Amino acid sequence: DAKTTQPPSMDCAEGRAANLPCNHSTISGNEYVYWYRQIHSQGPQYIIHGLKNNETNEMASLIITEDRKSSTLILPHATLRDTAVYYCIVRVENGGFKTIFGAGTRLFVKA
Amino acid sequence: NAGVTQTPKFQVLKTGQSMTLQCAQDMNHEYMSWYRQDPGMGLRLIHYSVGAGITDQGEVPNGYNVSRSTTEDFPLRLLSAAPSQTSVYFCASSSSRASGYGYTFGSGTRLTVV
Repeated sequence: DAKTTQPPSMDCAEGRAANLPCNHSTISGNEYVYWYRQIHSQGPQYIIHGLKNNETNEMASLIITEDRKSSTLILPHATLRDTAVYYCIVRVENGGFKTIFGAGTRLFVKA
Repeated sequence: NAGVTQTPKFQVLKTGQSMTLQCAQDMNHEYMSWYRQDPGMGLRLIHYSVGAGITDQGEVPNGYNVSRSTTEDFPLRLLSAAPSQTSVYFCASSSSRASGYGYTFGSGTRLTVV
């Protein structure tokens, strides 16, 4: 599976959009980009995933560059409850069994 | 649906003791994995399974055994507990379909080895 690179930490003002970047320059054509977050000491929670098209759900939007070497997770209106560690992962089709998590980005949403 | 259930939630062991951390899922997921998370650190993969009867090692398998006799259950055994195994252990399951929603995690088992 391709490795990902994320900034260790980011700040965001409450109510503003939080844009979390992820580099995955060695991603293969059949690898999906997945985002998870971990709030405090809870188990990680799935947020969104995509292959090459931009995706949006009730939690976030995922923007994947045309060359697929990077992506951005967007939380449109960050709240204090969005303070968490966000993990970007790439996963092959039918091969998500050996998913390696990196250190992620620690997002601090400030009032 | 209960999702992924881990028991116990908390455990204190003495060095050298053995124990089994239980994990069960009711989503008929083929893939199951065990991760550990040390304070302030990311998740590290211990063992994983792609289906009943099939297991393999992850990043940090030493000191742990797993088995997968059924699709639903994936217990993690600590053979001889050491203080270095003090950590939070998360079990996760996933469908083999790429269009699935990735991993579903349990709430964790917080283990302290004294």
